[in-house]
Amino acid sequence: DQQVKQNSPSLSVQEGRISILNCDYTNSMFDYFLWYKKYPAEGPTFLISISSIKDKNEDGRFTVFLNKSAKHLSLHIVPSQPGDSAVYFCAASSYSGAGSYQLTFGKGTKLSVIP
Amino acid sequence: DGGITQSPKYLFRKEGQNVTLSCEQNLNHDAMYWYRQDPGQGLRLIYYSQIVNDFQKGDIAEGYSVSREKKESFPLTVTSAQKNPTAFYLCASSISGTGDSPLHFGNGTRLTVT
Repeated sequence: DQQVKQNSPSLSVQEGRISILNCDYTNSMFDYFLWYKKYPAEGPTFLISISSIKDKNEDGRFTVFLNKSAKHLSLHIVPSQPGDSAVYFCAASSYSGAGSYQLTFGKGTKLSVIP
Repeated sequence: DGGITQSPKYLFRKEGQNVTLSCEQNLNHDAMYWYRQDPGQGLRLIYYSQIVNDFQKGDIAEGYSVSREKKESFPLTVTSAQKNPTAFYLCASSISGTGDSPLHFGNGTRLTVT
């Protein structure tokens, strides 16, 4: 049972426009949500996060929105640049006991920014 | 430069052989993790360790083993009991292992077992 879902495997956007990547989750115990960016044959790199007590977090061109009632979050990239072309993973953190937390990842969305 | 080093980048093994993937970090992070990525799939947690000499199973630990004898090292052994070992393996670390502590990933090891 997938607890973190990214329903769009791919997304194409024109350079300069907004990219919106979506993520849905089912576990109401998730307390932090994170976005990672991954280039081929490399490890993911952390992009931005949001606490479950907030509804928005912004860092430069990247903004994450959280709608707890809908169990939905989205990553907005404005303006999109060709270098943003990568796979974006949504991840959610939950307490797993004995002082440990686990991250659950979605399957990723491949973003292509067209020059 | 601080970071996580995974070696080798590509690894080929015959079926039935155990193989150990190396992961070293010089970030002085307490927590370390091993994930597996398959095509079209998200990252799935194999094992994690919050402190030296302690580790816990993740969601798909069967057929794998780990050790954490030093803070900076967290090797993963893929045993012959792992039914589908061919995959991209990612090692990660975080400062504290808490929910708001982002993971820092290595560049992965692609294991092919034939």
